[in-house]
Amino acid sequence: NAGVTQTPKFRILKIGQSMTLQCTQDMNHNYMYWYRQDPGMGLKLIYYSVGAGITDKGEVPNGYNVSRSTTEDFPLRLELAAPSQTSVYFCASSYSTTPRRGNSYEQYFGPGTRLTVT
Amino acid sequence: GQNIDQPTEMTATEGAIVQINCTYQTSGFNGLFWYQQHAGEAPTFLSYNVLDGLEEKGRFSSFLSRSKGYSYLLLKELQMKDSASYLCAVADYKLSFGAGTTVTVRA
Repeated sequence: NAGVTQTPKFRILKIGQSMTLQCTQDMNHNYMYWYRQDPGMGLKLIYYSVGAGITDKGEVPNGYNVSRSTTEDFPLRLELAAPSQTSVYFCASSYSTTPRRGNSYEQYFGPGTRLTVT
Repeated sequence: GQNIDQPTEMTATEGAIVQINCTYQTSGFNGLFWYQQHAGEAPTFLSYNVLDGLEEKGRFSSFLSRSKGYSYLLLKELQMKDSASYLCAVADYKLSFGAGTTVTVRA
């Protein structure tokens, strides 16, 4: 059981280039999320998905796109990289979004992708 | 929307107790989570509270008061490996995270 895996671990992009950050989970979770974390800041939600074929915007979706063709995979696409997108990107998954007494349905995070845009 | 506040940094001595406070103002509430994040690593789940009161899990305890919009994470018998950032997160239909509190444990 690998949990949540992300590739690549590190990437340097030039301004205007595009790339896809890969995320896969093997826990059969319905919910998946993409966050970015800037130095000294909390995690900001970019996009999330409640199941295959369903995605929705989070707090900071501009400049990103996602798709969810399978339960396991949730790739994040950057079309025209900008320096403001330099950040650490975390993918996460959970069984549900709504904790209930006795079951927290916590999110499990991947190891992150460190992206630099210059 | 969500507004979540927690202190930026705290320092404590090995073996001591540290309390990290978190205050929040939210439009919806389905529970409060605490995550631990070591430098350069992913956040990992520590605890959650959905009802008022104290939840204890080994050396870590978390408290919630929904009427006051307040939670704290209590770390007892501090160890060097507890040096990390601690993130408070409030759930409605998604998680909203505070900026995190960096705890430094000194020998």
